[in-house]
Order: sequence, then C-alpha cells, then structure tokens
Amino acid sequence: RKEVEQDPGPFNVPEGATVAFNCTYSNSASQSFFWYRQDCRKEPKLLMSVYSSGNEDGRFTAQLNRASQYISLLIRDSKLSDSATYLCVVNKGYGGSQGNLIFGKGTKLSVKP
Amino acid sequence: EPEVTQTPSHQVTQMGQEVILRCVPISNHLYFYWYRQILGQKVEFLVSFYNNEISEKSEIFDDQFSVERPDGSNFTLKIRSTKLEDSAMYFCASSASLGYGYTFGSGTRLTVV
Repeated sequence: RKEVEQDPGPFNVPEGATVAFNCTYSNSASQSFFWYRQDCRKEPKLLMSVYSSGNEDGRFTAQLNRASQYISLLIRDSKLSDSATYLCVVNKGYGGSQGNLIFGKGTKLSVKP
Repeated sequence: EPEVTQTPSHQVTQMGQEVILRCVPISNHLYFYWYRQILGQKVEFLVSFYNNEISEKSEIFDDQFSVERPDGSNFTLKIRSTKLEDSAMYFCASSASLGYGYTFGSGTRLTVV
C-alpha cells in the first residue's frame, strides 16, 4: 500500500460545482494531516490542516477518519481560481519524524467556465 | 507576508559537478527542510535541520548530499557530484514548530546535463 494514496484524477468540473477529493494513508503513527495545493511548476502551499473533528474554511471542508486512515477535502461552489493540483499530506510520525511530510501524488482539478 | 527565498531559480550543471542551492528561511523559524520533486512525480522529503544539526534524513539523502547553515540567515543544500537523476525541483521550507506551519520557497529547478 502506498504511503499516501489519492484519486488519480484529473477532475474537470464546471464553475459552481462541488468536488470531493479522497486520500488514504498507510502509517497509523502519523499525527498531522494537511491539504496543500500546488499550481503548475510552483511550490506547494498550505490550504488547510485537517483535524479529527473536521474543519471548515469558507468553501473548503476537510475531514479525517483515523480509524479508516482516510482524509477528505470538499470544495463547494468551485471557482476558476481553484484549478490546481491538490496534495494530501501526512507527517511520518512521532518525535523527529514529525517534520517529515509525506506527500501524495496529487489530484489535478480543472474548473471550467 | 514573510517568505522563504531560494536562489537560483534555475541552475544547469554538468554531470559530476558540485552544486550549492541556497535558501533564506523566515527569520524567526527554527526548523528547516529540503524537499525535491522530480518532474511529474510527488514531492519527496530529503532532510530536516534544527539547532545546527540534521534531525532526520531520507534514503535519498545519501553521502552526496549535505546541508549547512553557514550564518544566521542562509541554509544551503550541496550536492557533491551531480547525477542525471538529481534533475528536479528542490524546495526549501521552514517552520516555527516541527511539522507545522511550513512555508515553502518557490524552488530551484536543477537540470543536470
């Protein structure tokens, strides 16, 4: 099983659509969970951290299920500017490994007018 | 907004040559990292650095790689004898706490010919 696995995509959606990304991770010792976005040939940028209680930031909602080792991201009312690759990211584990982020390969989203 | 600055943005080098990639982390951050992304692949952890020593390194970070914080502001990655497969985008990142609040630099694209 891959360390962090995501829907391969690409997702092509019209403006205003709701789109969901899924991710599973293999390391039960992981403590921190994130969604990053990456524009073409640019650096990853933190979109949001993901907590067990679930969290929302405007049009974005993230959920974590530790028992299933599953993370999701929901984007409502998608905009053209949401077009990017969405990266599911977990940390490796405890202690010094907390700083070691493991990235999924990403799911490309293309929002069309 | 504070930035992580990387130079150069693009470097072309001949196989077997040494390269030094430079980074200026955010000034009050204590943890520093290097990641790389081969074109079309996922972002991969190389090394984390704290208190003037390596905290953790990946299998990729072999004896050809070294990191240094030569003064209070710069953080460098040296590749001693570059190989074709070292061609990638190299991202520097820093954070105030381990594993959280990463800020990535815009990257150095290294091309080994």
